[in-house]
Amino acid sequence: EAGVTQSPTHLIKTRGQQATLRCSPISGHTSVYWYQQALGLGLQFLLWYDEGEERNRGNFPPRFSGRQFPNYSSELNVNALELEDSALYLCASSLWRSGAGETQYFGPGTRLLVL
Amino acid sequence: GENVEQHPSTLSVQEGDSAVIKCTYSDSASNYFPWYKQELGKRPQLIIDIRSNVGEKKDQRIAVTLNKTAKHFSLHITETQPEDSAVYFCAANFGNEKLTFGTGTRLTIIP
Repeated sequence: EAGVTQSPTHLIKTRGQQATLRCSPISGHTSVYWYQQALGLGLQFLLWYDEGEERNRGNFPPRFSGRQFPNYSSELNVNALELEDSALYLCASSLWRSGAGETQYFGPGTRLLVL
Repeated sequence: GENVEQHPSTLSVQEGDSAVIKCTYSDSASNYFPWYKQELGKRPQLIIDIRSNVGEKKDQRIAVTLNKTAKHFSLHITETQPEDSAVYFCAANFGNEKLTFGTGTRLTIIP
């Protein structure tokens, strides 16, 4: 069974530009989660999508946005990049059954560097 | 608010000894508590999880205990080996499948 995949592995942008990160969940999983992991820090929840809809959002500004496609893959868009956006962006997927607390499986991440 | 505190931030243990990492959470409604291991440059990997209807769960050298009354849960690694060296994260859900992570524990196994 293929795991969660993310692309690109690395991305270099300059301040003010936009970045688009992509994630493909495990086959059969309907939920996709995005997390930001700044260097040496923990994982901060960004966004959760299920069945094409945004279900929850973390404490990040609106320039962080995303979407989920009919095949359950997802994009994370970061507009007007700032230096502090440099981080590892991790995507996770799960099969969501409401209230059950489902295991989230992580992808390898996209390392974004903003210069 | 939604908060998970994790201690210690760093832990060094002699090979063969046990390691214990503790987390506390703020929301009594949380019902799912996973633990992830992240090696340098790699993705977080689930190593064990526990749900609120269970007090303890074991998987070979790894165990997790949950005290719902006190709102804390702990990871226990016995007979530690060099490959156990990594950063360990606890997490708790706060409804709607959102996971809030602890700040991580860097575990170093000393040969």
